[in-house]
Amino acid sequence: AQSVTQPDIHITVSEGASLELRCNYSYGATPYLFWYVQSPGQGLQLLLKYFSGDTLVQGIKGFEAEFKRSQSSFNLRKPSVHWSDAAEYFCAVLGGGNKLTFGTGTQLKVEL
Amino acid sequence: DTAVSQTPKYLVTQMGNDKSIKCEQNLGHDTMYWYKQDSKKFLKIMFSYNNKELIINETVPNRFSPKSPDKAHLNLHINSLELGDSAVYFCASSQDLVLGVADYGYTFGSGTRLTVV
Repeated sequence: AQSVTQPDIHITVSEGASLELRCNYSYGATPYLFWYVQSPGQGLQLLLKYFSGDTLVQGIKGFEAEFKRSQSSFNLRKPSVHWSDAAEYFCAVLGGGNKLTFGTGTQLKVEL
Repeated sequence: DTAVSQTPKYLVTQMGNDKSIKCEQNLGHDTMYWYKQDSKKFLKIMFSYNNKELIINETVPNRFSPKSPDKAHLNLHINSLELGDSAVYFCASSQDLVLGVADYGYTFGSGTRLTVV
């Protein structure tokens, strides 16, 4: 069965600083990987996804993620964080039956 | 036009009651899902339906019964509500992967916050 680990429950960064959110996955086949963002009281919005090809994928809102098969990782990055990026971030892997399995999430706080 | 819409947005009810949450998608997707998000923000799949057929049924109490009258609707009925059912329930939809990966992804509704008192 697939699983996702997000080791950081909370992360605080200063506005304008760079950001990296960690994600490790476990899946027997080639993984399809996703990052979603959830703002307070809102649903989940897709930031980016990886299926195959270029291991560095670009997403919305200036986010990017890099797939590293050797490390079973799919870390999310942003060069300069804005106060509006404060939210909960979820990494997910797609398994059999189109089942999307999420990590436990990382809450991002941005200090002004 | 809202892609995936859930009603109601908030639901407060007493233990033992029966309630339903409705979900509709206008994306033409074939697969719909229900997820439960607990107080620690953990998201867990409950059910999925593909073109009205039950595909995924996780270890959910049988007090929860999904119903899909057509592929654009997936409702969730909960009998004999318990305090532990308090959570945010998300509906989502996706197209079939066989149609291609370029536009693949789950689209989520805005959630229904259920509070059982």
